[in-house]
Amino acid sequence: DIQMTQSPSSLSASVGGTVTITCRASQSIGTYLNWFQQKPGKAPKLLIYLASKLESGVPSRFSGSGSGTDFFLVIRTVQPEDFADYFCQQSYSTPITFGQGTRLDIK
Amino acid sequence: QVQLQQWGAGLLKPSETLSLTCGVYGASFSGYYWSWIRQSPGKGLEWIGEINHAGSSNYNPSLKSRVTISVDTSTNQFSLKVNSVTAADTALYYCARGRRVEGLYCSGGSCYFDHWGQGTLVTVSS
Repeated sequence: DIQMTQSPSSLSASVGGTVTITCRASQSIGTYLNWFQQKPGKAPKLLIYLASKLESGVPSRFSGSGSGTDFFLVIRTVQPEDFADYFCQQSYSTPITFGQGTRLDIK
Repeated sequence: QVQLQQWGAGLLKPSETLSLTCGVYGASFSGYYWSWIRQSPGKGLEWIGEINHAGSSNYNPSLKSRVTISVDTSTNQFSLKVNSVTAADTALYYCARGRRVEGLYCSGGSCYFDHWGQGTLVTVSS
């Protein structure tokens, strides 16, 4: 199985700031990497697919980059509604696997 | 508007069979893969398996021996059965729609999950 490792596991940010979350795959996965946001009591919500493609309806302050084994989710001008958990997920090979998550909270 | 609505028993005893169903509303059933994913504090998000409208399925090898995913295209529903459950199967279970992208292989099925059900908490306890 491909292991997905996110860092940091948690971080604090101020409203208006910029945050970067990293996801590392245990082997090269091309750009088969997706990012999700999850709020308490809700299902995950797709933000970015195939490493850098912004899902329809997602604010442009979210962006994704990377390829191979290292991927990044950047949130610019963090808004109050962005404080949540974030997960990466690879779709390069079966079984599909997820990162353990990064919790973003308010500084 | 695409909606996935799921239902099923939330409390099971060890050795019983977990059974969940997900109804798809506002979208075509064909052309997508339909997945089950679970989430627990200990294991995080875990993909269980997926199926398409034609019944072609992929499973997580870690669960394959106990899992069956089936589809009913006449009602736009797909279902999950997990046999011989234990406390380790206690989790929040989600159904999700998997999108394919033309020209990409994507683990043989879903490239990404764009719509999810509301989740069903399943607890296994004697």
